[in-house]
Amino acid sequence: EPEVTQTPSHQVTQMGQEVILRCVPISNHLYFYWYRQILGQKVEFLVSFYNNEISEKSEIFDDQFSVERPDGSNFTLKIRSTKLEDSAMYFCASSRGRGTTGELFFGEGSRLTVL
Amino acid sequence: GDSVTQMEGPVTLSEEAFLTINCTYTATGYPSLFWYVQYPGEGLQLLLKATKADDKGSNKGFEATYRKETTSFHLEKGSVQVSDSAVYFCALSSGGYQKVTFGTGTKLQVIP
Repeated sequence: EPEVTQTPSHQVTQMGQEVILRCVPISNHLYFYWYRQILGQKVEFLVSFYNNEISEKSEIFDDQFSVERPDGSNFTLKIRSTKLEDSAMYFCASSRGRGTTGELFFGEGSRLTVL
Repeated sequence: GDSVTQMEGPVTLSEEAFLTINCTYTATGYPSLFWYVQYPGEGLQLLLKATKADDKGSNKGFEATYRKETTSFHLEKGSVQVSDSAVYFCALSSGGYQKVTFGTGTKLQVIP
C-alpha cells in the first residue's frame, strides 16, 4: 500500500540552526501539507502546496518557514533559524483531491527537538 | 474560526467495554467531519468521515454520526479490543479548502 514517508524520524538541533524535514508524498497525489503538533497540544495546520506553489498557510508559517518540491518526488519543510518553540512533531500529508472529500494520508512524523 | 473540542484523555477501558469519545465543533458553513487514529509509532490514519448532516461514518466497528443540531460527531464502538489502543483525533474541513482543523486528541488505552 502506498504511503507517505518522512525523514528524519527524530532530529535534535541547536537554536538558530537551519533544519530541513523531508517527505515523499504518495506518487499520484496532487496536494501536499505540513502540520505540526507541539507535545500535548493540537495538531496544527502549517501550509498546503499545490501546483508548485503555496495554496494556503497559517499564521504560524512565518518567514522562518519555507516549503519546496525540488524534484517532483520530495516535499521539504525548511526552518531557517530554529527557536525553542519550534520543538514539535511535524507531519507531512498528501491527498489526491481537496481536503473536504480527498482523504489526507499522513506520514509517521518527524520529531524536532531544539535545544 | 474553525475549532474542534474533544474530551480529555487518557481513557482507560477494559476489553469489550463500550467506547464513547465526545467531539464538538465550531465552523462556518457545512464542514466535513473526520476521525483520525494514530497507533503507537505510526502516522495519522483516517478512521471514518461524514460529509453532511445525519451521515454516519463507520469503519472497523467504530461509528460517528454528524449531528448538525448539536454540532457534534461523537465516536463510538460497542466492544473495544486491546488493538484499539491509540490516540483518536476529531477533525473538520470546511469551505472546500484543503486545511483540516484537528482537536487535541484523546488517548485510549484498552486493558485485557
